[in-house]
Amino acid sequence: SQTIHQWPATLVQPVGSPLSLECTVEGTSNPNLYWYRQAAGRGLQLLFYSVGIGQISSEVPQNLSASRPQDRQFILSSKKLLLSDSGFYLCAWSVFGGSKDGYTFGSGTRLTVV
Amino acid sequence: KQEVTQIPAALSVPEGENLVLNCSFTDSAIYNLQWFRQDPGKGLTSLLLIQSSQREQTSGRLNASLDKSSGRSTLYIAASQPGDSATYLCAVLPMDSSYKLIFGSGTRLLVRP
Repeated sequence: SQTIHQWPATLVQPVGSPLSLECTVEGTSNPNLYWYRQAAGRGLQLLFYSVGIGQISSEVPQNLSASRPQDRQFILSSKKLLLSDSGFYLCAWSVFGGSKDGYTFGSGTRLTVV
Repeated sequence: KQEVTQIPAALSVPEGENLVLNCSFTDSAIYNLQWFRQDPGKGLTSLLLIQSSQREQTSGRLNASLDKSSGRSTLYIAASQPGDSATYLCAVLPMDSSYKLIFGSGTRLLVRP
């Protein structure tokens, strides 16, 4: 069966420090991968999506970047965190773009920038 | 541009009540609609997925309907329980080349014992 792993679950980082969040998927090949952010009191915002290794599309200009070094690995990074980067980050995957089986989400990472 | 709206934003009901959550979307050209549940501080759990060709899906006490032509979906929860307390999100997958889910802002449900 397919599973998605996301870590860490919670992270407190000082302003200006780097960030690396990792997401891995098991049990499927060539998934579409997504990073979403959910800020306090706001809806889900798509940050990045990837349809294949090394293929990253950015939805919102920001202080973050994403990479996909392996088929089932998706990494969210920042060189210098801002206070506004605080939020709940969710990784998701789909096959066939979600048109057949929908999206599956990970358990999320709560990031607090102090 | 596809927009998804959920009404009400919050709902408080006594245990045992049947309830309906509403979701509307502006563009009927969708592949599917997905209902999710989110507990505080947790990720999204998929509840039901309705393909555009379907009218409804059922899972246990949950029933979701889809009226694509009118841009509406409802999530019916029968015999609500305190454990149903969570935020419920609906999302549509537009029938364009983007394959990007568009989410509503959610309905926060509290079921009182």
